Amino acid sequence: DARVTQTPRHKVTEMGQEVTMRCQPILGHNTVFWYRQTMMQGLELLAYFRNRAPLDDSGMPKDRFSAEMPDATLATLKIQPSEPRDSAVYFCASGVQGSVGNQPQHFGDGTRLSIL
Amino acid sequence: GESVGLHLPTLSVQEGDNSIINCAYSNSASDYFIWYKQESGKGPQFIIDIRSNMDKRQGQRVTVLLNKTVKHLSLQIAATQPGDSAVYFCAENQGNKLVFGAGTILRVKS
Repeated sequence: DARVTQTPRHKVTEMGQEVTMRCQPILGHNTVFWYRQTMMQGLELLAYFRNRAPLDDSGMPKDRFSAEMPDATLATLKIQPSEPRDSAVYFCASGVQGSVGNQPQHFGDGTRLSIL
Repeated sequence: GESVGLHLPTLSVQEGDNSIINCAYSNSASDYFIWYKQESGKGPQFIIDIRSNMDKRQGQRVTVLLNKTVKHLSLQIAATQPGDSAVYFCAENQGNKLVFGAGTILRVKS
């Protein structure tokens, strides 16, 4: 089965360091989403792309977070500088949106980030 | 110490019994709904979806019911198995973005 792949699976670093999380969406999917999951807030949408163009990043703190899709096979989420409150599990999901109608998003297994 | 965070409802069922997980959604204009299952250390896994022009959809051992009048969604799992133990999330599509509920913990007793 095709899967969304996220790396790294775990990341522990000190506050102030740059963190880069990567995602390989499912081949043929035109939409990529970044979510953050915490005990306090549950699953929150940070940003999403369609056909590699950013459509909505209103859920993302823009002073320190940035999301890009350098090509169709790679999406990145960067935090610089990182802070302890950024500790969470970050999920990438991909899906198909467009004339075919709504299709479910498929999730990777996440990056568990701990900022000390 | 005291735990802080979302207090998820928990449903405990005996192995072999049927489970019903409920969800209230917020936006009457939502046109597409999905149920996800999340096991520890993994990402949410798609279970079943339903569009707003339907009120029932069946899959393998799972059924989703949609009541648009009261904005309610339910997931029924037949003959619940230990492998069904997980957190279950409903999600509603709002403007091509999914909004997730807080989740329900399903515990299956053997």
